[in-house]
Amino acid sequence: AQSVTQLGSHVSVSEGALVLLRCNYSSSVPPYLFWYVQYPNQGLQLLLKYTSAATLVKGINGFEAEFKKSETSFHLTKPSAHMSDAAEYFCAVNSGGSNYKLTFGKGTLLTVNP
Amino acid sequence: DVKVTQSSRYLVKRTGEKVFLECVQDMDHENMFWYRQDPGLGLRLIYFSYDVKMKEKGDIPEGYSVSREKKERFSLILESASTNQTSMYLCASSLVRLAKNIQYFGAGTRLSVL
Repeated sequence: AQSVTQLGSHVSVSEGALVLLRCNYSSSVPPYLFWYVQYPNQGLQLLLKYTSAATLVKGINGFEAEFKKSETSFHLTKPSAHMSDAAEYFCAVNSGGSNYKLTFGKGTLLTVNP
Repeated sequence: DVKVTQSSRYLVKRTGEKVFLECVQDMDHENMFWYRQDPGLGLRLIYFSYDVKMKEKGDIPEGYSVSREKKERFSLILESASTNQTSMYLCASSLVRLAKNIQYFGAGTRLSVL
């Protein structure tokens, strides 16, 4: 079984501040992990993914995430928030094997204040 | 670029109507998925298909069926729409049955059942 927990359904930061969105996963096997972003009235777009290569993964728009097996975490960060980062962010896990379905977290809405 | 197209952005239907949501992908992907997205619940998998005429139930298949007669097209069917099926519906596709593969999403169909 696999599951994802995103801590904080709503995160608010000031423009230029650090963005930290938390994701913890549960998986009985080494997981593949994904962060997706959804802008208003749009579908989901991949930000980055972890597939057991480097533990620090860089994505689009200046985002990165670090896989920490000991903490079962895959938190998303960005050093300096921009107004255009305001969106909903979803963490997802796929435990592989014969199961290639993604399990999504409930999402975190990021608000960026001027 | 992969393109996943959902035929309608907004739909309004009456209780008891039969509703078809259509999704087309243009990258010869094997896998296609239907999710529903509700505030605070994230994305939940309704059905997926890994080949033409092949389908598997996801986490919430009740009240829904699907059809995949051609590789590029995956239809979600609400046999008798009910108000609790008012939601955002997202279609996705991925290349092959590998856990690390990215899912590509359409823009979504917002369905209101009155």
